[in-house]
Amino acid sequence: SYVLTQPPSVSVARGQAARIICGGDNIGGKTVHWYQQKPGQAPVLVVYDDSDRPSGIPERFSGSNSGNTATLTISRVEAGDEADYYCQVLDSNSDPLLVFGGGTKLTVL
Amino acid sequence: QVQLVESGGGVVQPGGSLRLSCEASGFIFSTFGMHWVRQAPGKGLEWVAFIWYDGSQKYYPDSLKGRFTVSRDNSKNILYLQMNSLTAEDTAFYYCAKDRLGYTTSHYFDHWGQGTLVTVSS
Repeated sequence: SYVLTQPPSVSVARGQAARIICGGDNIGGKTVHWYQQKPGQAPVLVVYDDSDRPSGIPERFSGSNSGNTATLTISRVEAGDEADYYCQVLDSNSDPLLVFGGGTKLTVL
Repeated sequence: QVQLVESGGGVVQPGGSLRLSCEASGFIFSTFGMHWVRQAPGKGLEWVAFIWYDGSQKYYPDSLKGRFTVSRDNSKNILYLQMNSLTAEDTAFYYCAKDRLGYTTSHYFDHWGQGTLVTVSS
C-alpha cells in the first residue's frame, strides 16, 4: 500500500507561516488534497489538486507538490487555524485506492 | 447548501451488524459519487467505501471487502453502509462525504457530514 508520512505535530507563533509536509514515494506524480479538522468537528477540504482552494477558504492557505514532498502552507497563522491537518491522494495501483496521511496537529503559540 | 446527515450509529456486540444511513440535501444527489470515511477515536482518517453516482460501481479497501457494503437510493437521496461481522477494530466515527465532481469521481471529498459513532463492544 502507498504510505503518506506527516509529522505528528507542528508549532508556530501567531502571525508566522506554518508549513505542514506530507511525504510519499514520488508524491509529485500524484494529486494531493488537504483537509482541516478541528476538535469535535468533521474534516473540511482546504486545498485540492495540489494547490487549489475551495470557495470560502482564505488565501492564506496554499499548497505545493514536487518530488517526494507535498506541502500545505498557512501564512499569517491565526488562533483559529489550530487543528489537525491531513493530506490525501489516490493511488490507483495499490490498495486502498484513497490514502490519508497520519495527520499533523498544528499548535498556534 | 450541501447537507449530509448520518444516522444509525450505536453500540453493537462483536460479530453483529449495523446499517448506517446518510441523508443528503442541497445538491443533486443522483449525479455525485459518495464515500464513507471512518476515524477511530483519537486516530486518523481511513477511507471505507465509494459508490458511483448511479450505483453501478463500488470500491472498498481489500481489508473491508466482503464485510462492508455501500449502496444508495437516489429516489430518497440516501446513502447506506451495511456493516457485518463487526469487531472492536471497527469502532469509529463514520462520515459520509460527497465527491467533488458529478458523473465521475475526483477521488476526494468536498463536503462531509458530522459523523455517526459506531462502538463495537460486549
